[in-house]
Amino acid sequence: GIQVEQSPPDLILQEGANSTLRCNFSDSVNNLQWFHQNPWGQLINLFYIPSGTKQNGRLSATTVATERYSLLYISSSQTTDSGVYFCAPYSGGGADGLTFGKGTHLIIQP
Amino acid sequence: DGGITQSPKYLFRKEGQNVTLSCEQNLNHDAMYWYRQDPGQGLRLIYYSQIVNDFQKGDIAEGYSVSREKKESFPLTVTSAQKNPTAFYLCASSIRPGVTSGNSYNEQFFGPGTRLTVL
Repeated sequence: GIQVEQSPPDLILQEGANSTLRCNFSDSVNNLQWFHQNPWGQLINLFYIPSGTKQNGRLSATTVATERYSLLYISSSQTTDSGVYFCAPYSGGGADGLTFGKGTHLIIQP
Repeated sequence: DGGITQSPKYLFRKEGQNVTLSCEQNLNHDAMYWYRQDPGQGLRLIYYSQIVNDFQKGDIAEGYSVSREKKESFPLTVTSAQKNPTAFYLCASSIRPGVTSGNSYNEQFFGPGTRLTVL
């Protein structure tokens, strides 16, 4: 199956800083989602982005499908951005679920 | 409000007991999924169902069973055969894979999860 690698595994920043999280995947994809897992475990959908660039407030994401990577940008970080960010591609075939990376654990300090 | 609910939020089980985790959705989604998350790890697929009365094993199905008698419901049973059942269990749903809706292809939405601890 598809392999997913996220970097960095851990990131500690001060409030107001910007960050870039990376996701590399080993195969072509029909779908790629970014999630934020909050401290209570809830997975929050951030982006559905199999290709191109999308923006939502302080967050944006870019997927370059031909080069098999996706980036999540967080600008002007707030403490509420803390948590784990997961990249999850779906390679298609109509059968399987998403494949998750191990995530990037982000801590935003006040 | 449309969404996915899971119950209970916390569950404690003695070794040798079977337990059933509930997942209900009112999003009118055809497909439903169960994932398992261990500390510091990503999610792994246990079972999935694309339509009522049909389901398929995922990557780690051993020791688990499911049923899909209604479109809205996809309960997961953790059996005594599961050797290490302590984990966080998340249910998800999507429109049926292979069907597009607007720009979304199999975009999955998750419930709040159930934390299972074996005593």
